[in-house]
Amino acid sequence: EPEVTQTPSHQVTQMGQEVILRCVPISNHLYFYWYRQILGQKVEFLVSFYNNEISEKSEIFDDQFSVERPDGSNFTLKIRSTKLEDSAMYFCASFLPAPYGYTFGSGTRLTVV
Amino acid sequence: AQKVTQAQTEISVVEKEDVTLDCVYETRDTTYYLFWYKQPPSGELVFLIRRNSFDEQNEISGRYSWNFQKSTSSFNFTITASQVVDSAVYFCALSEPKDFGNEKLTFGTGTRLTIIP
Repeated sequence: EPEVTQTPSHQVTQMGQEVILRCVPISNHLYFYWYRQILGQKVEFLVSFYNNEISEKSEIFDDQFSVERPDGSNFTLKIRSTKLEDSAMYFCASFLPAPYGYTFGSGTRLTVV
Repeated sequence: AQKVTQAQTEISVVEKEDVTLDCVYETRDTTYYLFWYKQPPSGELVFLIRRNSFDEQNEISGRYSWNFQKSTSSFNFTITASQVVDSAVYFCALSEPKDFGNEKLTFGTGTRLTIIP
Protein backbone atom coordinates (compact mmCIF):
# COMPACT_ATOMS: atom_id res chain seq x y z
CA GLU A 1 0.00 0.00 0.00
CA PRO A 2 1.36 3.47 -0.91
CA GLU A 3 2.79 5.47 1.96
CA VAL A 4 3.55 9.05 2.83
CA THR A 5 7.13 9.31 4.06
CA GLN A 6 8.30 12.02 6.44
CA THR A 7 11.86 12.84 7.37
CA PRO A 8 13.35 13.25 9.86
CA SER A 9 11.26 11.47 12.49
CA HIS A 10 12.64 13.74 15.18
CA GLN A 11 14.43 17.07 14.89
CA VAL A 12 15.88 19.25 17.59
CA THR A 13 16.68 22.84 16.72
CA GLN A 14 17.68 25.98 18.51
CA MET A 15 15.26 28.85 18.83
CA GLY A 16 15.64 31.27 15.94
CA GLN A 17 17.00 28.68 13.55
CA GLU A 18 15.36 27.76 10.27
CA VAL A 19 14.04 24.23 9.94
CA ILE A 20 12.77 22.29 6.92
CA LEU A 21 10.49 19.31 7.37
CA ARG A 22 10.31 16.93 4.43
CA CYS A 23 7.57 14.76 3.09
CA VAL A 24 7.21 12.48 0.09
CA PRO A 25 3.48 12.22 -0.63
CA ILE A 26 1.78 9.59 -2.72
CA SER A 27 2.60 10.37 -6.33
CA ASN A 28 -0.86 10.37 -7.90
CA HIS A 29 -2.52 12.29 -5.09
CA LEU A 30 -3.70 15.82 -5.79
CA TYR A 31 -3.79 17.61 -2.45
CA PHE A 32 -1.05 17.88 0.10
CA TYR A 33 -1.41 19.05 3.67
CA TRP A 34 0.51 19.91 6.79
CA TYR A 35 -1.04 19.48 10.20
CA ARG A 36 0.42 20.22 13.62
CA GLN A 37 -0.15 18.62 17.00
CA ILE A 38 1.24 20.29 20.09
CA LEU A 39 1.96 17.65 22.73
CA GLY A 40 -1.22 16.45 24.38
CA GLN A 41 -3.47 18.56 22.19
CA LYS A 42 -5.57 18.06 19.10
CA VAL A 43 -4.35 17.88 15.53
CA GLU A 44 -4.67 21.25 13.79
CA PHE A 45 -4.74 22.12 10.11
CA LEU A 46 -1.89 24.33 8.90
CA VAL A 47 -2.04 24.47 5.13
CA SER A 48 -3.30 22.74 2.00
CA PHE A 49 -1.45 22.74 -1.31
CA TYR A 50 -2.91 22.03 -4.73
CA ASN A 51 -1.63 22.56 -8.25
CA ASN A 52 1.64 23.99 -6.93
CA GLU A 53 0.11 26.67 -4.78
CA ILE A 54 -1.46 27.14 -1.38
CA SER A 55 -5.20 26.54 -1.58
CA GLU A 56 -5.99 27.26 2.07
CA LYS A 57 -4.10 28.15 5.22
CA SER A 58 -4.98 28.55 8.86
CA GLU A 59 -4.31 31.44 11.21
CA ILE A 60 -1.38 29.48 12.59
CA PHE A 61 0.33 29.53 9.20
CA ASP A 62 1.85 32.99 9.42
CA ASP A 63 4.78 34.56 7.56
CA GLN A 64 7.23 32.35 9.41
CA PHE A 65 5.89 29.31 7.56
CA SER A 66 6.19 28.38 3.91
CA VAL A 67 5.59 25.30 1.81
CA GLU A 68 7.07 24.10 -1.43
CA ARG A 69 6.93 21.20 -3.80
CA PRO A 70 10.13 21.96 -5.62
CA ASP A 71 10.67 18.84 -7.71
CA GLY A 72 7.22 17.30 -8.05
CA SER A 73 8.13 14.71 -5.46
CA ASN A 74 9.09 16.24 -2.13
CA PHE A 75 6.71 18.48 -0.21
CA THR A 76 8.42 20.66 2.37
CA LEU A 77 7.38 22.82 5.30
CA LYS A 78 9.85 25.53 6.25
CA ILE A 79 9.77 27.44 9.51
CA ARG A 80 11.93 30.50 9.06
CA SER A 81 12.82 31.39 12.62
CA THR A 82 11.65 28.80 15.09
CA LYS A 83 10.08 29.68 18.43
CA LEU A 84 9.67 27.51 21.50
CA GLU A 85 5.95 27.24 20.78
CA ASP A 86 6.66 25.64 17.40
CA SER A 87 7.60 22.47 19.27
CA ALA A 88 5.06 19.93 18.09
CA MET A 89 4.47 16.87 15.95
CA TYR A 90 4.07 17.85 12.31
CA PHE A 91 2.08 15.55 10.07
CA CYS A 92 2.14 15.57 6.31
CA ALA A 93 -0.82 14.12 4.42
CA SER A 94 -1.73 13.56 0.83
CA PHE A 95 -5.24 13.23 -0.45
CA LEU A 96 -7.20 12.02 -3.43
CA PRO A 97 -10.97 12.68 -3.48
CA ALA A 98 -13.48 9.89 -2.91
CA PRO A 99 -13.47 6.99 -2.99
CA TYR A 100 -9.89 7.30 -1.81
CA GLY A 101 -9.04 9.73 0.94
CA TYR A 102 -6.33 10.83 3.30
CA THR A 103 -3.00 9.20 3.92
CA PHE A 104 -0.95 10.60 6.79
CA GLY A 105 2.77 10.28 7.25
CA SER A 106 4.13 9.06 10.56
CA GLY A 107 5.06 12.59 11.61
CA THR A 108 8.13 14.64 12.49
CA ARG A 109 8.53 15.56 16.12
CA LEU A 110 10.08 19.03 16.25
CA THR A 111 11.66 20.16 19.48
CA VAL A 112 12.78 23.78 19.73
CA VAL A 113 15.23 24.48 22.56
CA ALA B 1 -17.74 26.90 10.86
CA GLN B 2 -17.16 23.25 11.48
CA LYS B 3 -16.54 21.89 14.94
CA VAL B 4 -15.98 18.47 16.51
CA THR B 5 -16.55 17.82 20.19
CA GLN B 6 -15.24 14.83 22.08
CA ALA B 7 -16.50 15.42 25.58
CA GLN B 8 -14.74 12.43 27.11
CA THR B 9 -11.16 13.41 27.82
CA GLU B 10 -10.09 10.12 29.35
CA ILE B 11 -11.73 6.74 29.75
CA SER B 12 -10.42 3.68 31.57
CA VAL B 13 -12.02 0.27 31.33
CA VAL B 14 -11.02 -3.21 32.34
CA GLU B 15 -9.96 -5.53 29.54
CA LYS B 16 -12.83 -7.31 27.77
CA GLU B 17 -15.33 -4.62 28.64
CA ASP B 18 -17.11 -2.74 25.87
CA VAL B 19 -16.45 0.98 25.56
CA THR B 20 -18.08 3.75 23.53
CA LEU B 21 -16.30 6.94 22.53
CA ASP B 22 -18.58 9.86 21.78
CA CYS B 23 -18.25 12.37 18.96
CA VAL B 24 -20.58 15.27 18.22
CA TYR B 25 -20.05 17.51 15.22
CA GLU B 26 -21.29 20.81 13.84
CA THR B 27 -21.43 21.74 10.19
CA ARG B 28 -23.57 23.85 7.89
CA ASP B 29 -22.87 21.69 4.86
CA THR B 30 -25.07 18.85 3.72
CA THR B 31 -22.12 17.01 2.24
CA TYR B 32 -19.38 16.13 4.67
CA TYR B 33 -17.24 13.25 5.84
CA LEU B 34 -16.59 11.91 9.30
CA PHE B 35 -13.47 10.08 10.39
CA TRP B 36 -12.00 8.24 13.33
CA TYR B 37 -8.26 7.99 13.86
CA LYS B 38 -6.27 6.09 16.47
CA GLN B 39 -3.04 7.54 17.84
CA PRO B 40 -1.00 4.95 19.73
CA PRO B 41 1.87 5.99 22.03
CA SER B 42 4.25 5.86 19.06
CA GLY B 43 2.46 8.96 17.74
CA GLU B 44 1.32 8.12 14.22
CA LEU B 45 -2.28 8.59 13.10
CA VAL B 46 -3.92 5.32 12.20
CA PHE B 47 -6.97 5.62 9.95
CA LEU B 48 -10.00 3.69 11.20
CA ILE B 49 -13.01 4.82 9.19
CA ARG B 50 -14.33 7.45 6.78
CA ARG B 51 -18.09 7.88 6.46
CA ASN B 52 -19.96 10.25 4.16
CA SER B 53 -22.97 12.22 5.31
CA PHE B 54 -25.37 10.37 3.05
CA ASP B 55 -24.59 6.97 4.47
CA GLU B 56 -26.20 6.57 7.88
CA GLN B 57 -25.82 2.84 8.06
CA ASN B 58 -23.95 1.62 11.07
CA GLU B 59 -20.70 -0.11 10.30
CA ILE B 60 -18.94 -3.00 11.97
CA SER B 61 -15.36 -4.03 11.46
CA GLY B 62 -14.30 -6.83 13.75
CA ARG B 63 -14.49 -5.53 17.32
CA TYR B 64 -15.08 -1.98 16.13
CA SER B 65 -18.44 -0.47 15.29
CA TRP B 66 -19.65 3.00 14.47
CA ASN B 67 -23.06 4.57 15.02
CA PHE B 68 -23.80 7.58 12.80
CA GLN B 69 -26.92 9.57 13.70
CA LYS B 70 -27.55 12.75 11.72
CA SER B 71 -30.52 13.65 13.93
CA THR B 72 -28.16 14.17 16.87
CA SER B 73 -25.05 15.05 14.83
CA SER B 74 -23.17 12.20 16.42
CA PHE B 75 -20.72 9.62 15.18
CA ASN B 76 -19.93 7.33 18.08
CA PHE B 77 -17.35 4.58 18.14
CA THR B 78 -17.67 1.37 20.12
CA ILE B 79 -14.97 -1.15 20.87
CA THR B 80 -16.33 -4.53 21.89
CA ALA B 81 -14.33 -6.84 24.16
CA SER B 82 -11.55 -4.30 24.59
CA GLN B 83 -7.92 -5.35 24.60
CA VAL B 84 -4.79 -3.73 26.00
CA VAL B 85 -3.65 -2.96 22.45
CA ASP B 86 -6.66 -0.68 22.10
CA SER B 87 -5.06 1.76 24.56
CA ALA B 88 -4.48 4.96 22.60
CA VAL B 89 -5.85 8.41 21.95
CA TYR B 90 -8.78 8.36 19.56
CA PHE B 91 -9.67 11.35 17.42
CA CYS B 92 -12.89 12.07 15.62
CA ALA B 93 -12.61 14.41 12.62
CA LEU B 94 -14.84 16.15 10.08
CA SER B 95 -14.19 17.38 6.56
CA GLU B 96 -16.30 19.47 4.21
CA PRO B 97 -15.35 19.07 0.54
CA LYS B 98 -14.51 22.37 -1.08
CA ASP B 99 -13.59 23.41 -4.61
CA PHE B 100 -11.98 20.70 -6.68
CA GLY B 101 -12.24 18.24 -3.83
CA ASN B 102 -10.09 19.88 -1.15
CA GLU B 103 -10.96 18.36 2.23
CA LYS B 104 -9.39 20.05 5.23
CA LEU B 105 -9.86 17.99 8.40
CA THR B 106 -11.13 19.47 11.65
CA PHE B 107 -10.23 17.25 14.58
CA GLY B 108 -11.79 16.88 18.00
CA THR B 109 -9.65 17.11 21.10
CA GLY B 110 -9.36 13.34 21.40
CA THR B 111 -10.26 10.74 23.99
CA ARG B 112 -7.46 8.92 25.79
CA LEU B 113 -8.55 5.31 26.25
CA THR B 114 -6.73 3.11 28.73
CA ILE B 115 -7.48 -0.58 28.89
CA ILE B 116 -6.56 -2.07 32.25
CA PRO B 117 -5.35 -5.68 32.10
